[in-house]
Amino acid sequence: AQSVTQLDSQVPVFEEAPVELRCNYSSSVSVYLFWYVQYPNQGLQLLLKYLSGSTLVKGINGFEAEFNKSQTSFHLRKPSVHISDTAEYFCAVSDPPDRGSTLGRLYFGRGTQLTVWP
Amino acid sequence: KAGVTQTPRYLIKTRGQQVTLSCSPISGHRSVSWYQQTPGQGLQFLFEYFSETQRNKGNFPGRFSGRQFSNSRSEMNVSTLELGDSALYLCASRGLRGQANTEAFFGQGTRLTVV
Repeated sequence: AQSVTQLDSQVPVFEEAPVELRCNYSSSVSVYLFWYVQYPNQGLQLLLKYLSGSTLVKGINGFEAEFNKSQTSFHLRKPSVHISDTAEYFCAVSDPPDRGSTLGRLYFGRGTQLTVWP
Repeated sequence: KAGVTQTPRYLIKTRGQQVTLSCSPISGHRSVSWYQQTPGQGLQFLFEYFSETQRNKGNFPGRFSGRQFSNSRSEMNVSTLELGDSALYLCASRGLRGQANTEAFFGQGTRLTVV
């Protein structure tokens, strides 16, 4: 089974400052990687995904993430945050389709609460 | 295109009762997964259905069950509710193009409180 570690449970930051949310995963073979955001009392919204190709992935709301295979990391970054970015962020992995027995199952990290202060 | 719809949004049940939650996936999506979210355990996978068949199951007791209908709508049932079943239950739908794995789209969840 896959495992995902989000290294920081809480990240406070001031508005317009840059932010990095860290994510490491356990697999040494190919995986699909995702970042989701959750606002209070809401479901999960996909920010970005890495399936293959370029290791720098751009997502919605100005977020981007870099896939690093050697370090099994997929850190999320934003150069300048806004108060509206305050939310919980989840990193997730899933197996690619050639390992079809677990096709579709997402393994989530424990989440990082990003709080943006004015 | 309508998103994933979960009903009801909020539910309060008593210990020992059973509950059924419903999920309507995005039109054309045939895969539906269920997750339980709690402060203590985080997001945990319950099961996934595709074309009315359970494809994968997480590590939950048999009190948790599900099914999928021919229109891809899914229900999950929890019998003999325990206080620890209080959680946000999230449903996710995916569209599969051949064997291609696409991203999961989540509903807003059903908040279940067991008292």
